[in-house]
Amino acid sequence: DTEVTQTPKHLVMGMTNKKSLKCEQHMGHRAMYWYKQKAKKPPELMFVYSYEKLSINESVPSRFSPECPNSSLLNLHLHALQPEDSALYLCASSQGRISGNTIYFGEGSWLTVV
Amino acid sequence: EDQVTQSPEALRLQEGESSSLNCSYTVSGLRGLFWYRQDPGKGPEFLFTLYSAGEEKEKERLKATLTKKESFLHITAPKPEDSATYLCAVQAMENFNKFYFGSGTKLNVKP
Repeated sequence: DTEVTQTPKHLVMGMTNKKSLKCEQHMGHRAMYWYKQKAKKPPELMFVYSYEKLSINESVPSRFSPECPNSSLLNLHLHALQPEDSALYLCASSQGRISGNTIYFGEGSWLTVV
Repeated sequence: EDQVTQSPEALRLQEGESSSLNCSYTVSGLRGLFWYRQDPGKGPEFLFTLYSAGEEKEKERLKATLTKKESFLHITAPKPEDSATYLCAVQAMENFNKFYFGSGTKLNVKP
């Protein structure tokens, strides 16, 4: 069983809505990630937080806004999304160190934008 | 440019028929190579990490190996429950928090 917990598992939202995806880990990891995965495609990196600071932003549109309130929590705030943003959103965490930095994924949040 | 290529895209095996999946990579410096298993609609499940050429890791019917340019995931006597998409990811020297994923190999094992 994964130790990275994501909520909600499914989310349907309109293009004018504001919603959030949440992620929690209790492994003491100091790096947390958001990935986006479309059907039959590999996970695509969106953001990385390292020691609660945003360290990587892969040129993601501003309608996606990440937040890391503390070392265990990661949020992804969604606003004015487009139908093409519908995908599986994966949260992951790792120890955040130079060696032995394996990433562990949550089960994902399925997002449908209507 | 850093790249990860997996082959074949899809593989159909009969139960008990052993085979190998390939992951070839071009990165400026490899810090680690990772194998994951992903079932439909779920997050990737970690299988192995390999750090240096010549390294091998085993788990049940799976064995991962690493050379300087590629990694293989060998599946010995597979069972239907091994059916999944297998993803390879590399971690580059330049940024240890950045992982590049291949497109995956979808494995279907028939009874």
